[in-house]
Amino acid sequence: QKEVEQNSGPLSVPEGAIASLNCTYSDRGSQSFFWYRQYSGKSPELIMSIYSNGDKEDGRFTAQLNKASQYVSLLIRDSQPSDSATYLCAAGGGNEKLTFGTGTRLTIIP
Amino acid sequence: DAGITQSPRHKVTETGTPVTLRCHQTENHRYMYWYRQDPGHGLRLIHYSYGVKDTDKGEVSDGYSVSRSKTEDFLLTLESATSSQTSVYFCATEGQDSYNEQFFGPGTRLTVL
Repeated sequence: QKEVEQNSGPLSVPEGAIASLNCTYSDRGSQSFFWYRQYSGKSPELIMSIYSNGDKEDGRFTAQLNKASQYVSLLIRDSQPSDSATYLCAAGGGNEKLTFGTGTRLTIIP
Repeated sequence: DAGITQSPRHKVTETGTPVTLRCHQTENHRYMYWYRQDPGHGLRLIHYSYGVKDTDKGEVSDGYSVSRSKTEDFLLTLESATSSQTSVYFCATEGQDSYNEQFFGPGTRLTVL
């Protein structure tokens, strides 16, 4: 059973600080990793994709991948109240399917 | 917006009735997926399709069937709805640019009484 684990939170971060979200996965054959943001009552929205070890930056978001430790993280710099949402981590292998974690609820405190 | 629509957006039905949810995409994607999302379980794959008439089961396929007779439409059917199938159902398609990316439709909230 392929698993993706996330701390469910809630994670509370002051506005302007760095929010750090973490995820581990069980399948060593996973090749692709994704972070989705989901606002309450809305559908998941893809915000970051990462395929290689190291960091990938896009605006205020940085995804980090460590395949040896089977660990993926998402950093959100200069956190804004609009970043308050549930963040889903997903991992994919070579079969066009993704396994999702249960999500971490993030609250940015003004 | 990945050109995905779902219908209906909300539905209330009674136990034992058949229900069909529709996913429609406008971008000619080969892969389409049906997920359900429940508190504490996250997104779980029900069925997916890799082409017209080509479908396969996901991790929670019992009680569900699918059909894909046209590239743009992927139907999810609950043959005899049960209260345990009360959930939010999301359709997704593959992305255009990067490997394994998936993009989601707006979802259907289904309540089975």
